Amino acid sequence: AQTVTQSQPEMSVQEAETVTLSCTYDTSESDYYLFWYKQPPSRQMILVIRQEAYKQQNATENRFSVNFQKAAKSFSLKISDSQLGDAAMYFCAYRSRFQGAQKLVFGQGTRLTINP
Amino acid sequence: GAVVSQHPSRVICKSGTSVKIECRSLDFQATTMFWYRQFPKQSLMLMATSNEGSKATYEQGVEKDKFLINHASLTLSTLTVTSAHPEDSSFYICSARQRLSTDTQYFGPGTRLTVL
Repeated sequence: AQTVTQSQPEMSVQEAETVTLSCTYDTSESDYYLFWYKQPPSRQMILVIRQEAYKQQNATENRFSVNFQKAAKSFSLKISDSQLGDAAMYFCAYRSRFQGAQKLVFGQGTRLTINP
Repeated sequence: GAVVSQHPSRVICKSGTSVKIECRSLDFQATTMFWYRQFPKQSLMLMATSNEGSKATYEQGVEKDKFLINHASLTLSTLTVTSAHPEDSSFYICSARQRLSTDTQYFGPGTRLTVL
């Protein structure tokens, strides 16, 4: 079974600075998806970024980018120019690409605080 | 696009009663919907996967007679907590996977259930 580990329960960063959230995963599969979701105080889960394992290029979405290291099974999220609205719980998630595989496997989450 | 709603957002009920939570995909057809439970400061725990027109698949340890799931149409799934007890108090989140998409789940805003 696949597992996702986020080793940083809490992180904080100064506004406008850059922060990196760590995520590692364990799988025997070669093709899969990886995601970062954000859960602000409203509790609404919001997709931040998505990476397909067969793509070597790291995904980017504006101020958010990932460092995907497939051999190391690492998928870290970098937030540049941190803003107060980035404060939230961040969850890393894995999903197999095998036909019929549907469920997301979530990490434990990292609570990110932005200091003004 | 890709909006998922949940109703109600909050519900308080007496022990022994049943509570129904609705999950709707507002602007897309969802062949698959998922129900999660989230305890305070914890990650999302998948309870069951619901495919339109068929029986839900429950995760290990989740009582299917306690948590009844119905996915009668491509835009609506319901979770009924039967004979609720205080230990069922939690935050319940649904998500939906778009029919023509293979990799992204869109989440509802969640329902906070309090059982007195």
